[in-house]
Amino acid sequence: AQKITQTQPGMFVQEKEAVTLDCTYDTSDPSYGLFWYKQPSSGEMIFLIYQGSYDQQNATEGRYSLNFQKARKSANLVISASQLGDSAMYFCAMREGLNTGGFKTIFGAGTRLFVKA
Amino acid sequence: DADVTQTPRNRITKTGKRIMLECSQTKGHDRMYWYRQDPGLGLRLIYYSFDVKDINKGEISDGYSVSRQAQAKFSLSLESAIPNQTALYFCATSELRTGGNEQFFGPGTRLTVL
Repeated sequence: AQKITQTQPGMFVQEKEAVTLDCTYDTSDPSYGLFWYKQPSSGEMIFLIYQGSYDQQNATEGRYSLNFQKARKSANLVISASQLGDSAMYFCAMREGLNTGGFKTIFGAGTRLFVKA
Repeated sequence: DADVTQTPRNRITKTGKRIMLECSQTKGHDRMYWYRQDPGLGLRLIYYSFDVKDINKGEISDGYSVSRQAQAKFSLSLESAIPNQTALYFCATSELRTGGNEQFFGPGTRLTVL
């Protein structure tokens, strides 16, 4: 079964506007973490933001915020004030068993974001 | 200097050839991983290692082997490369502790098997 689902293969956004990239996950483990990574055209993987399953507040890092809806098992990434440099592939990922040293990170298929000038 | 380095960055090889991809890290992390990325599939785990004496298969280890020569070095070998091993390969590291510590990725090695 797919554990991480990113339903948007591609997204367009106008520069300076906000955009939401969807991610749903599936787990029965109560202790897990959710990650977002950015992959620009140069290929490297850049960590953006992390949300723990027990975190009470949604994570924020600069222009990135994670809209965590635990009951819906969704962890959408919100990018505010999009910039041309935000054009990239974005991956949602999950790691289960955090409180027991879980290490396996499962990645979604990714969403390619295009920011238009 | 990059914390996680991979060599080579690009490689074109022929079917049946043996090839080694190397990864080095200066982060002092115990855990190291090899992933491959294919379009539409995200990243999939090939092998992982918790220390030099601990090597484990990931979800797609067939056709691959690894060696953890030191805490800082983790290499991936394709004993007899085949075209469907054409992919972008990433090495990653993480700390050995519980909690949501992120993985740090190398720049990737783009491998083409003809």
